Amino acid sequence: QKEVEQNSGPLSVPEGAIASLNCTYSDRGSQSFFWYRQYSGKSPELIMFIYSNGDKEDGRFTAQLNKASQYVSLLIRDSQPSDSATYLCAATNTGNQFYFGTGTSLTVIP
Amino acid sequence: SAVISQKPSRDICQRGTSLTIQCQVDSQVTMMFWYRQQPGQSLTLIATANQGSEATYESGFVIDKFPISRPNLTFSTLTVSNMSPEDSSIYLCSVTWTSGETQYFGPGTRLLVL
Repeated sequence: QKEVEQNSGPLSVPEGAIASLNCTYSDRGSQSFFWYRQYSGKSPELIMFIYSNGDKEDGRFTAQLNKASQYVSLLIRDSQPSDSATYLCAATNTGNQFYFGTGTSLTVIP
Repeated sequence: SAVISQKPSRDICQRGTSLTIQCQVDSQVTMMFWYRQQPGQSLTLIATANQGSEATYESGFVIDKFPISRPNLTFSTLTVSNMSPEDSSIYLCSVTWTSGETQYFGPGTRLLVL
């Protein structure tokens, strides 16, 4: 079982819609969760991190964490074509090791 | 965050040769890591570069193939030795100030082995 799992997609949404990206993790002791965005040919850049159950909002992005169900999600409101990228979910396990999911490819259609 | 640079940004190499990739940070960081990202794949951790001591390698990666140096808190190198086409990949360094906290990535080195 992989430490972090994501639906590889591709996920397509129309411009202006909400994009919902999901991620599950296997280590119940994981404490920290991260969402990175990676444009084609570029390195990953941090969008958000979340440590506590519930929602965390930053502009058009909302991260949601449910430790009981062991999932974390990222919502992108008012999606723009510039949001088209691969989104990587990452979690740290009880040993503070970082694990990345395989990424979800998002395409926002104008 | 930090400004992270990598050299070279890309290279094309012949089978059997070695390439050393440099990672430079504009401030002192606690931890530095080296990742590999093969085409269409996610990130795979190669090793943690430890300042003043031997790197800590992940399963499947060995020092003879991927020797790493970290002489100080702002600089590290990764060497890909005796390269084969299977080593064609993007190599990324990342840094953090606290174990388990946000990692910040360099721009990557795109390696093609012929």
